[in-house]
Amino acid sequence: NAGVMQNPRHLVRRRGQEARLRCSPMKGHSHVYWYRQLPEEGLKFMVYLQKENIIDESGMPKERFSAEFPKEGPSILRIQQVVRGDSAAYFCASSPSGENEKLFFGSGTQLSVL
Amino acid sequence: SQKIEQNSEALNIQEGKTATLTCNYTNYSPAYLQWYRQDPGRGPVFLLLIRENEKEKRKERLKVTFDTTLKQSLFHITASQPADSATYLCALSNSGYALNFGKGTSLLVTP
Repeated sequence: NAGVMQNPRHLVRRRGQEARLRCSPMKGHSHVYWYRQLPEEGLKFMVYLQKENIIDESGMPKERFSAEFPKEGPSILRIQQVVRGDSAAYFCASSPSGENEKLFFGSGTQLSVL
Repeated sequence: SQKIEQNSEALNIQEGKTATLTCNYTNYSPAYLQWYRQDPGRGPVFLLLIRENEKEKRKERLKVTFDTTLKQSLFHITASQPADSATYLCALSNSGYALNFGKGTSLLVTP
């Protein structure tokens, strides 16, 4: 039973480029959460999605960031026109219900903006 | 504002001793509190969840307490081993969907 799969593990982008981070939840899980972890900082909630719906995006920056979880395929976190401050580890988590109990995390994508 | 505070200083203990980590929170009324373990370069791994009506919960060598009056949780690892060395994160939420994490406490267990 595969866990939460994130890819790529490492992503390097130049300022102004777009970054696409992918997350496949655990089998049977239809709830996905995205978190960002900056060096020496804690995990910060960004967005919570169910299939085809954004439920809570209270942690998402207002500009350049978007997320989706289509009916088929992985969840995508998209960052447009990246800046150096976007460099961080981005983690995806999934759960079988929306109760945020016992989240299963992927290994993360380390985004580096040059 | 809401805060989740964990000891920022690393905790160094000798193998076999009990490690105790603290999580304090303000401006939360959580129905439950969770502890996760995170190793370098990896995502957090769920360890334990304790509900507001539970004073204590145990799982193998792990024990968690939850005091809603003090707004504090204590996380204990008994008979600690070098393999327990990691960062331990406290997490909780109010009624919303966002699970909020503390910055974590780094534990180093030396042989």
